[in-house]
Amino acid sequence: KNQVEQSPQSLIILEGKNCTLQCNYTVSPFSNLRWYKQDTGRGPVSLTIMTFSENTKSNGRYTATLDADTKQSSLHITASQLSDSASYICVVSDRGSTLGRLYFGRGTQLTVWP
Amino acid sequence: GAGVSQSPSNKVTEKGKDVELRCDPISGHTALYWYRQSLGQGLEFLIYFQGNSAPDKSGLPSDRFSAERTGGSVSTLTIQRTQQEDSAVYLCASSFSTGGYGYTFGSGTRLTVV
Repeated sequence: KNQVEQSPQSLIILEGKNCTLQCNYTVSPFSNLRWYKQDTGRGPVSLTIMTFSENTKSNGRYTATLDADTKQSSLHITASQLSDSASYICVVSDRGSTLGRLYFGRGTQLTVWP
Repeated sequence: GAGVSQSPSNKVTEKGKDVELRCDPISGHTALYWYRQSLGQGLEFLIYFQGNSAPDKSGLPSDRFSAERTGGSVSTLTIQRTQQEDSAVYLCASSFSTGGYGYTFGSGTRLTVV
């Protein structure tokens, strides 16, 4: 069964600290993996997208890694800011012929305290 | 249009009433997803449309929920006999068929059942 699991479910950190969010998936065949940030009351915004051949990709203070062998991804946030408080969602796409189906994790709720 | 459009942005309804939520995807996107996010919860997949294929309804929580996609474009999510636990933000997203590229979220409809 194709699934995307994220951990932790929620996380509280102090401003300025770093944190790492995890995403494990069983989606096969794999096409790409995205991390999204969703602020409360807003739609999700794409942070990174990685294909099979990419191991790491950065977007400012956000760095995503991908290990396609172990089917794991992480999102590392450096020097956190209050504005980083949001839900972070991992989304994996398969390569199923013409469908390109997307599978969602349930998200990690990050709270950054001053 | 330039993005995925959802309407209404907010809906308050009385328990037991039926509601219809609308999603207008990006022109040319053949894949359309509905999911919801309850307060303090992660994303919950509801239904997936892809072109003229039979939709994947595996995420619909009960038979009170149904969705249609007319002409491969606009989609309507209908909730019959609403319950208080249906209160959530209902998000729609669309993408191109292959690999889910160009995946874009709408800003959601916040449904409150009183």
